[in-house]
Amino acid sequence: EVQLVESGGGLVQPGGSLRLSCAASGFTFTDHYMDWVRQAPGKGLEWVGRARDKPNRYTTEYAASVKGRFTISRDDSKPSVYLQMNSLKTEDTAVYYCTRLMYHASSSYYPDFWGQGTLVTVSS
Amino acid sequence: DIQLTQSPSFLSASVGDRVTITCRASQGISSYLAWYQEKPGKAPKLLIYAASTLQSGVPSRFSGSGSGTEFTLTISSLQPEDFATYYCQQLHSFPLTFGGGTKVEIK
Repeated sequence: EVQLVESGGGLVQPGGSLRLSCAASGFTFTDHYMDWVRQAPGKGLEWVGRARDKPNRYTTEYAASVKGRFTISRDDSKPSVYLQMNSLKTEDTAVYYCTRLMYHASSSYYPDFWGQGTLVTVSS
Repeated sequence: DIQLTQSPSFLSASVGDRVTITCRASQGISSYLAWYQEKPGKAPKLLIYAASTLQSGVPSRFSGSGSGTEFTLTISSLQPEDFATYYCQQLHSFPLTFGGGTKVEIK
């Protein structure tokens, strides 16, 4: 059974840092790209970023709203994906989901499995 | 960035109704579009990918169509478990973006 379990959320002050983890099981982690997506309370979904796999040199992509502050990494040996969040702002308050991407034709990838999410609250 | 506009943002329907949700992209995205269902307190669930491909395990009453800039999600006969919020997402180019959501409620 595919499982993605996020952890590391909590309350942090503006300007602070937090590291989210997403532990994967039930599938071959090394075969998949991984995305992070967030949802602010009462709001819609927002894509945060992507971590590609080893053949693609673990390259990453980020939303403009987090670029330079957030870093996505992965450890295939764990297997886990991480979201390091620095210089946090109140507008980063959200439930953060990690997602597994499945490859489809024509170099397209779609999030076919989502974790249950972890809540990050940025407040003084 | 590619903007996705969903309409309507809210709809009220009855069990058995045919429901159509539209997603319009600000520029052409070929068929790089997905649809998700979200229920309160749960993670989003992939329904449709590549604009019209039904994800494994999703009931056949869900269907997707479109390409370029206009897409639709159709529920042929609304069931009680389908009352939820639906989102489209473009996966054509970075940054990936979502539509604003359509909340489907019971009439």
